[in-house]
Amino acid sequence: GQNIDQPTEMTATEGAIVQINCTYQTSGFNGLFWYQQHAGEAPTFLSYNVLDGLEEKGRFSSFLSRSKGYSYLLLKELQMKDSASYLCAAVDSNYQLIWGAGTKLIIKP
Amino acid sequence: ETGVTQTPRHLVMGMTNKKSLKCEQHLGHNAMYWYKQSAKKPLELMFVYSLEERVENNSVPSRFSPECPNSSHLFLHLHTLQPEDSALYLCASSQDKTSPSYEQYFGPGTRLTVT
Repeated sequence: GQNIDQPTEMTATEGAIVQINCTYQTSGFNGLFWYQQHAGEAPTFLSYNVLDGLEEKGRFSSFLSRSKGYSYLLLKELQMKDSASYLCAAVDSNYQLIWGAGTKLIIKP
Repeated sequence: ETGVTQTPRHLVMGMTNKKSLKCEQHLGHNAMYWYKQSAKKPLELMFVYSLEERVENNSVPSRFSPECPNSSHLFLHLHTLQPEDSALYLCASSQDKTSPSYEQYFGPGTRLTVT
């Protein structure tokens, strides 16, 4: 079956760095998305990776290893507004998104 | 209005009621989606429409009935729901469904409570 695993909850300190991991098993693979969802709000797009390696976008970076079925989202210089859930979703051979349950990130002062 | 809008934002309904959720996208996209989001569970894809044609129906109970009258509007008609249907219902759109890299844009969701 198809499956996405990511930690349920993580806690980090303002100004620090945090890495949120995601492992996936899908029928075929056409890339991986990361979305951010603040409580009570819509998920918003953060990144899309289809090739191996690290892609940096400001304070956020996303990494993909296709051979290991693994991705991570790296958040630097954490701010209180980064407190949110982070959703990992892999694209299968039918171009359907397979979603993880999300990682709730709590930022403490 | 910009992006993806959904109405109502909150809905409380009894198990014998009939109600409809509305979604509208102002992005010129060709694909629209309905998702169910329950606490601590992955997003569940319910329906996908591409160019107004339903292309996916992921074993959703018949008490949920989608309608896509045009590429900008999507409805989810609800009838005789069960308490376990209480959840956040999210609408999303994307440029189309043929490319995996097209991100989905989500509406704010309708928080549904079935009593």
